Amino acid sequence: SQKIEQNSEALNIQEGKTATLTCNYTNYSPAYLQWYRQDPGRGPVFLLLIRENEKEKRKERLKVTFDTTLKQSLFHITASQPADSATYLCALANTNAGKSTFGDGTTLTVKP
Amino acid sequence: GAVVSQHPSRVICKSGTSVKIECRSLDFQATTMFWYRQFPKQSLMLMATSNEGSKATYEQGVEKDKFLINHASLTLSTLTVTSAHPEDSSFYICSARGTSGETQYFGPGTRLLVL
Repeated sequence: SQKIEQNSEALNIQEGKTATLTCNYTNYSPAYLQWYRQDPGRGPVFLLLIRENEKEKRKERLKVTFDTTLKQSLFHITASQPADSATYLCALANTNAGKSTFGDGTTLTVKP
Repeated sequence: GAVVSQHPSRVICKSGTSVKIECRSLDFQATTMFWYRQFPKQSLMLMATSNEGSKATYEQGVEKDKFLINHASLTLSTLTVTSAHPEDSSFYICSARGTSGETQYFGPGTRLLVL
């Protein structure tokens, strides 16, 4: 069955360091993958989308990689700040108009 | 751009009553809207997918007669929780996707508490 796994439920890092979050999937051939940020009591906010034929995408301090051989996406936040503390969700869609399946999320805490 | 609103943000109701939640795409046309529920510290659970002008497609285990979805226009979808019970208390979130067919944009969510 299809499965999406995000690394450790919680990740704690020191301000200024790079946070790296992992999204692994099995039995899936995603057309694209998305990363979202969710704060407590709020809906997810879209951050980045990367397609199956793209290796890397950047947006300001964010970087996403997508390795379809390893079936893995890495999400990096460089120069992390306490304001980056939130839960980060990855979502996969196996067609361009299909529904997305979400991982359980990783809660990042950046300590000052 | 790509703003989705939900109303109400929070609702408390008595057991047995029905509650309607609205989801609007404010600055784009949403050909597809999705409804999710989320329990504390858990991930999003997709309830149903609706395309404008057609019946919603419900996920396995979601009662379509209990969770009525209407997507009458390209900017509005509604979810009605009929005869709500305490176990229906949850965080309900909608998302909308435009004609590009890729990114889903989420609303801020509706917290439902059934007493």
